Amino acid sequence: AQSVSQHNHHVILSEAASLELGCNYSYGGTVNLFWYVQYPGQHLQLLLKYFSGDPLVKGIKGFEAEFIKSKFSFNLRKPSVQWSDTAEYFCAVSVSGNTGKLIFGQGTTLQVKP
Amino acid sequence: SAVISQKPSRDICQRGTSLTIQCQVDSQVTMMFWYRQQPGQSLTLIATANQGSEATYESGFVIDKFPISRPNLTFSTLTVSNMSPEDSSIYLCSAERASYNEQFFGPGTRLTVL
Repeated sequence: AQSVSQHNHHVILSEAASLELGCNYSYGGTVNLFWYVQYPGQHLQLLLKYFSGDPLVKGIKGFEAEFIKSKFSFNLRKPSVQWSDTAEYFCAVSVSGNTGKLIFGQGTTLQVKP
Repeated sequence: SAVISQKPSRDICQRGTSLTIQCQVDSQVTMMFWYRQQPGQSLTLIATANQGSEATYESGFVIDKFPISRPNLTFSTLTVSNMSPEDSSIYLCSAERASYNEQFFGPGTRLTVL
């Protein structure tokens, strides 16, 4: 069965620090990859997605993620975080052709100190 | 994007009772889904709500426990039946339009079972 692993459960950074959140998945076939964010008191929102093409994907609010097929990874990055980036981040995977079934990682809580 | 609302936003229920959660989308969508997020855990897909036919349940979830309706392209309900404290979770509705290849999430319903 497919699974998604996020290695960092709780990350604390100071403003302007760089961010990288790890995401690995287990599935041998073609996948679609997503990062969702949930700001405090808000609902889940899509940050970015990868379906095909350029493995470096740019999303909203300065986030980007790189798909490395050989490593089954889709790490999220941001060069300089802001206090407003404090949120929970979820990596998710769906099997290509079955975008409906999203498999989520455990989530990473990011706390940015002003 | 689609705007999704859920009712109720939260509830506290007694063991053995049932609760029906409503999900309304502001536009017609092709697919609707129900997820569960147990305390400290990630989101798990319960079922796909199919319009005009029985829902498709994921492994570990059954219709008797989580009956789902989807009478039209913008509305669905999830009932949590014969509740126990283990059902205390956040229940989220999501929707997808085929042309977008991404899911939009509702704000969730926080359920506490005593």
